[in-house]
Amino acid sequence: SYELTQPPSVSVSPGQTARITCSGDALPRKYAYWYQQKSGQAPVLVIYEDNKRPSGIPERFSGSTSGTMATLTISGAQVEDEADYHCDSTDASGTHRVFGGGTKLTVL
Amino acid sequence: EVQLVQSGAELKEPGESLKISCQVSGYIFTNSWIVWVRQRPGKGLEWMGIIYPGDSETRYSPSFQGQVTISVDKSISTAYLQWSSLKASDTATYYCARTYSAAVGDSYDVWGQGTRVTVSS
Repeated sequence: SYELTQPPSVSVSPGQTARITCSGDALPRKYAYWYQQKSGQAPVLVIYEDNKRPSGIPERFSGSTSGTMATLTISGAQVEDEADYHCDSTDASGTHRVFGGGTKLTVL
Repeated sequence: EVQLVQSGAELKEPGESLKISCQVSGYIFTNSWIVWVRQRPGKGLEWMGIIYPGDSETRYSPSFQGQVTISVDKSISTAYLQWSSLKASDTATYYCARTYSAAVGDSYDVWGQGTRVTVSS
């Protein structure tokens, strides 16, 4: 079955740039989506179609892809950005949607 | 305002049946897909399956095929996730979410608040 691989954790100091990666064989052909999930809350969409930002999401959040890897970048991470981040995409056939294992971002 | 409101927490025993709900408002129910996502305690998100309320087309993850049933009632703009025989391993928080458009591969732009299901004897 198709898998998306994320690092379990990323840690940065406030004001630094945080990069969270997501690797998957179909990413060159399928969109990546990113969700932020704060403790005890439902996920929130922060990036769609690889690099688009929904309204209301701060400009410091951006997305990019290169080959089989998608990257969520938080430029100038803030303490309130501390959360779990999940990538999401579809397998090569377009049949099944998959989430990555999630990455815990610590900002301190 | 688009909202997805899920039913309340459940405490069940192994072997019992359960049906949880996700009632939507603020948009046309039949214009977006509804997805169900599992999150076990301390774990990541798992894609369970998705349904298009317009014609009830349903797709399941191979991991959940035959384990759960997803359905809708268009008359009350509500989607459902049900089990016929719960197991302790079904203990999790379950989220519903909608797709931004009628495209099944679109982003999940609005989520329900989650329903916590605990299965324990």
